[in-house]
Amino acid sequence: KAGVTQTPRYLIKTRGQQVTLSCSPISGHRSVSWYQQTPGQGLQFLFEYFSETQRNKGNFPGRFSGRQFSNSRSEMNVSTLELGDSALYLCASSLSLNQPQHFGDGTRLSIL
Amino acid sequence: ELKVEQNPLFLSMQEGKNYTIYCNYSTTSDRLYWYRQDPGKSLESLFVLLSNGAVKQEGRLMASLDTKARLSTLHITAAVHDLSATYFCAVDSNGNQFYFGTGTSLTVIP
Repeated sequence: KAGVTQTPRYLIKTRGQQVTLSCSPISGHRSVSWYQQTPGQGLQFLFEYFSETQRNKGNFPGRFSGRQFSNSRSEMNVSTLELGDSALYLCASSLSLNQPQHFGDGTRLSIL
Repeated sequence: ELKVEQNPLFLSMQEGKNYTIYCNYSTTSDRLYWYRQDPGKSLESLFVLLSNGAVKQEGRLMASLDTKARLSTLHITAAVHDLSATYFCAVDSNGNQFYFGTGTSLTVIP
C-alpha cells in the first residue's frame, strides 16, 4: 500500500514568490492535515481537511491557504513568501478524524 | 492560547532502564497524541488517546491520559538504543486547534 506522498521534496524560492505544495494521502484516507516545522517555532498546525472541507486552521496569516480535492489529495499554497516561511512542511493523512496519522516525508522549503 | 509543556526536554538514559516523559497542557482537551521523530526524518504517529484514563501500549512504550490533571505520560520500559529519537505530544483543543509540545530528545546509551 503506497504511503503519503508529498511533492516536491525540496524547493527553493525567493521572497515575494508563491509556492504550491502537494500531498497525496493513502488510498481511502479522507482526512489530511498540514504542519510546519522550524527550528525556532517547532511544530505548528496549519490546516485540517476532511472530505473537501477545512475543519480547522492554525494561527497562520492569510498568505497560507489550502484545499482538498474530491480524491482527497490536498494542496497548500503560500503567497508572498517571506524568509520566515523556510521550513519543513509535513502532510499527514488518516482514515477519519481522531485516527492515527500517517506522515509523508515532507517538503523542505527554503526562501532566499 | 493552549500551552503544551513537555519535560524533560533532553533525556539521556542507559539501556535497560525505565523512564517517563511528561506532557502538561493548559486547557480542557479530551484528545492527546504522541509522535516520534528520528533525526532528519518525518513524524511517526505513536498513540492517540481519546478519553480520560485512556492507556495504550506498544512494545516498550506506554501512554496514558489524565484529563482532570491535564497530563499525559509516555513511559519507557527497559529502554533500548532503537528508542533514541525526539518524542512530541500534541493536544487537540476541542476540535478547534492543534498544539504541539516542544519535544523530548531521548538518547539511550548502551
